Amino acid sequence: GAVVSQHPSRVICKSGTSVKIECRSLDFQATTMFWYRQFPKKSLMLMATSNEGSKATYEQGVEKDKFLINHASLTLSTLTVTSAHPEDSSFYICSARPQLAGVSGELFFGEGSRLTVL
Amino acid sequence: AQSVTQPDIHITVSEGASLELRCNYSYGATPYLFWYVQSPGQGLQLLLKYFSGDTLVQGIKGFEAEFKRSQSSFNLRKPSVHWSDAAEYFCAVGARNYGQNFVFGPGTRLSVLP
Repeated sequence: GAVVSQHPSRVICKSGTSVKIECRSLDFQATTMFWYRQFPKKSLMLMATSNEGSKATYEQGVEKDKFLINHASLTLSTLTVTSAHPEDSSFYICSARPQLAGVSGELFFGEGSRLTVL
Repeated sequence: AQSVTQPDIHITVSEGASLELRCNYSYGATPYLFWYVQSPGQGLQLLLKYFSGDTLVQGIKGFEAEFKRSQSSFNLRKPSVHWSDAAEYFCAVGARNYGQNFVFGPGTRLSVLP
């Protein structure tokens, strides 16, 4: 099946620094990618929809200036957590839908990135 | 808007026993339905999906699920659970508009006793 890769899988940073997480579709093109946040023992919370070549669409309550999303190509979307604080520590997961999927609707998920802010 | 409920937060079964994880959805039309599994610290892996046709769908690792429109359910089953099946299971419903996201249920954590 299609593969989505996230990097880094784990990152530890100091409070106040910025962290970039990459989401790549390795064998397909994706005009739309999604970013989720998952709290311990909780379900996935959609943060934003990343659209290639245009601005991301953020869910209610998600700070767009805090979580910067860039979808510069059909295979890469990045999430930058700016001025990270300990409360931003979480598991971040991306997903992508193949551009040619049509109505099949399947999403492919990355492995996730564990962010720990000290 | 669609929504998903998974009534069981945590289920424990013995290895070799049968398993059924419940999922109920709310959506105004026929949805796309999915089951994903997540091992600790890992991303999500698709177990199976329903788009149309046969309401009993087979997935990987011996899992199957049945779509029951009258009950708005999509329960996941496995006849004999293996210790490696211990994980978090998420049911998801997707709208039939290309590009729209899924809505995930809260998840059911499965523990398997030896």
